[in-house]
Amino acid sequence: SAVISQKPSRDICQRGTSLTIQCQVDSQVTMMFWYRQQPGQSLTLIATANQGSEATYESGFVIDKFPISRPNLTFSTLTVSNLSPEDSSIYLCSVESDSYEQYFGPGTRLTVT
Amino acid sequence: KQEVTQIPAALSVPEGENLVLNCSFTDSAIYNLQWFRQDPGKGLTSLLLIQSSQREQTSGRLNASLDKSSGRSTLYIAASQPGDSATYLCAVDIEYGNKLVFGAGTILRVKS
Repeated sequence: SAVISQKPSRDICQRGTSLTIQCQVDSQVTMMFWYRQQPGQSLTLIATANQGSEATYESGFVIDKFPISRPNLTFSTLTVSNLSPEDSSIYLCSVESDSYEQYFGPGTRLTVT
Repeated sequence: KQEVTQIPAALSVPEGENLVLNCSFTDSAIYNLQWFRQDPGKGLTSLLLIQSSQREQTSGRLNASLDKSSGRSTLYIAASQPGDSATYLCAVDIEYGNKLVFGAGTILRVKS
């Protein structure tokens, strides 16, 4: 299994600002995934990030709001831009193993005031 | 559109009981199904992965079954312990590792 770390673990941000979340994996992986978990709800996939190419976004998520970088095979960042209270959520990154099992980071809890 | 439903939404049991959590999905075209555990304020821990060609998987006190044709999976927890208290999520993989669709989860509380 992969060991995944995220920074920051939590943050409180003001409306209109941006937050960049970092995800670091202890091994090289082809695909990394970003999920959002809104309060009291389950996880929703935001986008898939492959190294060396543009991220692929799910319906309802756009690059201007959620820009993603994937500079190498062990690291990715997700930025949540122009924050509003509706963006208050837990953001999680994940990776898939060779057997297609997904492993998740500890999450970043974002509160927008 | 794939939809995943988990029943019950919440469950409270005394320590030592055997229990079953249910997961159903609307489209049987899945590659695998994964059960996760989420502790409050934490990320997800993978419990069991069942490939679409498999019927069940076991890990310790956990047993997960899959009936792909009927769109159902169950997670059986034997001899429950207070440490099992958490939210249990099931997710189906609809793009071979590229996309998981999650259920809303079952909140389990095991009372000592």
